[in-house]
Amino acid sequence: DAKTTQPTSMDCAEGRAANLPCNHSTISGNEYVYWYRQIHSQGPQYIIHGLKNNETNEMASLIITEDRKSSTLILPHATLRDTAVYYCIVRVVWDKIIFGKGTRLHILP
Amino acid sequence: KAGVTQTPRYLIKTRGQQVTLSCSPISGHRSVSWYQQTPGQGLQFLFEYFSETQRNKGNFPGRFSGRQFSNSRSEMNVSTLELGDSALYLCASSFSSGETQYFGPGTRLLVL
Repeated sequence: DAKTTQPTSMDCAEGRAANLPCNHSTISGNEYVYWYRQIHSQGPQYIIHGLKNNETNEMASLIITEDRKSSTLILPHATLRDTAVYYCIVRVVWDKIIFGKGTRLHILP
Repeated sequence: KAGVTQTPRYLIKTRGQQVTLSCSPISGHRSVSWYQQTPGQGLQFLFEYFSETQRNKGNFPGRFSGRQFSNSRSEMNVSTLELGDSALYLCASSFSSGETQYFGPGTRLLVL
């Protein structure tokens, strides 16, 4: 079973920051937090990952709480092309990826 | 760099037949993982290959098998197809086992 809990769906206005929460209260010390997204019928796209520090790349920022029990993916300026299902995954480096149901993000024009 | 490629992109088969799907990883990547995605079960891990050896396996029946070649290309085979095998089959590659995985566009299989 997936070790994360995410809201089923969220809306965000175009141009605003989209903040996607993820709970992973049973995360262990050697598990990373990964985010992927899947645009309709395409393969999942890697976004970002982190262990305990906040991370930022050209696509998004990942904020992990100090106790590591939750995290937030931030898309700073959402566009219509960001409409997708977003998956939060916790994973030990050597283990398989277990996907949950993800959050369906709707970007509203 | 070219991304992960999967062939064919679409496939229609009938029950009882077998099917082979192919995946070419990103150049330099040596690990390939396979996933099945259905509306009911979501994305489920099938197996992972690294250096031609299966490293990890999900909870699928023995009808699902795979292999990896010395050039890191991988194939998966499903024998005795069932209607429930209709799905999007996704391949992901990574530089090494455990590294970040990058997914291909998938092969959509329809079993009639």
